[in-house]
Amino acid sequence: NAGVTQTPKFQVLKTGQSMTLQCAQDMNHNSMYWYRQDPGMGLRLIYYSASEGTTDKGEVPNGYNVSRLNKREFSLRLESAAPSQTSVYFCATRRDSNQPQHFGDGTRLSIL
Amino acid sequence: RKEVEQDPGPFNVPEGATVAFNCTYSNSASQSFFWYRQDCRKEPKLLMSVYSSGNEDGRFTAQLNRASQYISLLIRDSKLSDSATYLCVVGATGTASKLTFGTGTRLQVTL
Repeated sequence: NAGVTQTPKFQVLKTGQSMTLQCAQDMNHNSMYWYRQDPGMGLRLIYYSASEGTTDKGEVPNGYNVSRLNKREFSLRLESAAPSQTSVYFCATRRDSNQPQHFGDGTRLSIL
Repeated sequence: RKEVEQDPGPFNVPEGATVAFNCTYSNSASQSFFWYRQDCRKEPKLLMSVYSSGNEDGRFTAQLNRASQYISLLIRDSKLSDSATYLCVVGATGTASKLTFGTGTRLQVTL
């Protein structure tokens, strides 16, 4: 039982390149989330999907797009990477309201 | 005012000490409360949920004060392995399943 799986774990990009971060869960949870975490700033919500077929912007959506491919998978895309997007990205899932979130082990992304 | 506020610390305590963290939240409609633990460069992991009547899990006790809008975490008999950042997390109804994370309180337990 893998829980929440993120790929890749590490990535280095050049400014302007695009890439997609993948997140898959086998917990049968309805909601999925993408966060970024920067030193001293805590977790900031980028986008989330309350249920299959819906996505909504979080606190810092600019420069990102998401796709909720099915109940299991929620991907985050950087169309044109910028150095300011260097961060650790976490995917999380949640069964429903009043339940805690469960996190993947993160993707460490550096943009040069 | 931030939605969830925590003292960033660090709290430096000797092994065996008791330490307490508080967290305040601004949204009076908040209905779910959690404490997470995060080790350096790792993902946040659920430590415990916080219930209205307060709850205990081994050396850890969580309390909720709705009137004053704060939650607390008490750690007794601190271990070296308790050294981590503790995140206060709050969720409100009607916010489409979003949770709001505090920036965390760092705890360092020393010999």
